[in-house]
Amino acid sequence: DAKTTQPPSMDCAEGRAANLPCNHSTISGNEYVYWYRQIHSQGPQYIIHGLKNNETNEMASLIITEDRKSSTLILPHATLRDTAVYYCIVRVEGSYIPTFGRGTSLIVHP
Amino acid sequence: GAVVSQHPSRVICKSGTSVKIECRSLDFQATTMFWYRQFPKQSLMLMATSNEGSKATYEQGVEKDKFLINHASLTLSTLTVTSAHPEDSSFYICSASPGSSYEQYFGPGTRLTVT
Repeated sequence: DAKTTQPPSMDCAEGRAANLPCNHSTISGNEYVYWYRQIHSQGPQYIIHGLKNNETNEMASLIITEDRKSSTLILPHATLRDTAVYYCIVRVEGSYIPTFGRGTSLIVHP
Repeated sequence: GAVVSQHPSRVICKSGTSVKIECRSLDFQATTMFWYRQFPKQSLMLMATSNEGSKATYEQGVEKDKFLINHASLTLSTLTVTSAHPEDSSFYICSASPGSSYEQYFGPGTRLTVT
């Protein structure tokens, strides 16, 4: 699976959009971009995934660049409960996740 | 849908004893289950993968005789930490994947403290 690079930490004001970047310059054509998050002392929670088109669900939006070498997860209106570590993972659909990497620790402040 | 539970959520045991952690898929049949370990301030690392009715496949560096995995049914997998030591203290998280899709659904985790 391709490696990803994320900033170690970010912060965001409550109610504002949180934009979390991820670089995956070695992504292969059949690899998807997945985002999970882990709230402190809980298991990971799936957020969203995509191949090349932008995706949106009730939790977030995923913007993937045209060359697929990077992506951005957008939480449109961050709340205090969105404080968590966010993991960007690139993998072939159907493969399991061997490791989550370091992720980005997002702190949403009042 | 796609709920995975773990029991217990926290456990404290004495060094040298064994402890069993259960992972259940509550509303789907999990043909494959995964066990991860997360040390403080570190990321989750896969320990082993198990398919129902088969022996588990362990990642490099994980002792299969120390971390016994049983996946006897399509809704239950257990991880037994045998002869636990303080360095086994960690957050253990299971994940389950239904046969109909490749998605992994994660449990809430079990905090193990070995004294």
